[in-house]
Amino acid sequence: DTGVSQDPRHKITKRGQNVTFRCDPISEHNRLYWYRQTLGQGPEFLTYFQNEAQLEKSRLLSDRFSAERPKGSFSTLEIQRTEQGDSAMYLCASSLGGSGRVAYNEQFFGPGTRLTVL
Amino acid sequence: GNSVTQMEGPVTLSEEAFLTINCTYTATGYPSLFWYVQYPGEGLQLLLKATKADDKGSNKGFEATYRKETTSFHLEKGSVQVSDSAVYFCAYSKIYNQGGKLIFGQGTELSVKP
Repeated sequence: DTGVSQDPRHKITKRGQNVTFRCDPISEHNRLYWYRQTLGQGPEFLTYFQNEAQLEKSRLLSDRFSAERPKGSFSTLEIQRTEQGDSAMYLCASSLGGSGRVAYNEQFFGPGTRLTVL
Repeated sequence: GNSVTQMEGPVTLSEEAFLTINCTYTATGYPSLFWYVQYPGEGLQLLLKATKADDKGSNKGFEATYRKETTSFHLEKGSVQVSDSAVYFCAYSKIYNQGGKLIFGQGTELSVKP
C-alpha cells in the first residue's frame, strides 16, 4: 500500500462550475477525513467518515459541499456552483479508529487537490 | 473555543542552531498532541506525538513535551539542518467524543541557511 492518494492533484475551474475530488485511503483504515487548507493557514476540518457513515460536518461545509463514502473505501468531495473563495488545497487523511481503545489518532495525509476557481 | 496558537514565522536560522517553535492549545480534557511537517512540494507528515501529560514525543532529533499545566507542546531541536526547512504545524485531537478530528495551528515556516 502506497498511502493515501488523491485525484486530481490540480483542478482549475470557472466560477459556477461543479467539481468532484476523489480520495483513496490506506486500505485497512476505517476513518477518512477531509480538510481544507488556504495559503498560509493550517488545515481546517471539513468532515469525517467512519466506514460509510458521515459522522460530523463542520460549519465550513456549506450546502454546496457534499461528501460521500459509499462502500466505506474511497470518498468523493463535490463542490457545486464553485466560488472564488473555494480556491484552496483540499486534503484527505485516513486513520485506524476504534471505539475507546485507541490512545491516539495518527492520521495519514494524501498529497492534496489544489483547486483554483477563476 | 478550541484552538491552537503557534509562534509566527518565518523563522530563519543558520545550520546547527537551536530551534524552538512555541505551541499552545485551548481545549478541555486531555487531547492528544501532534507536530506535523510539510516539506516543500510534499504532503503533511506526522513528525511526533504525545498522548498524555508529561509525555515526550521525539523523532529525527526533534522533541516536544506535553505540558498540561501550561497547555503547551513546544517543538525543539538542538541542531537544525538545511533539510529541516519546512512548515511545521502543531495540532491536537480528541478521540472519544470528537471522532479524532485534528485542530491545527496556522503553521510556522522554518528556513535553515547553510
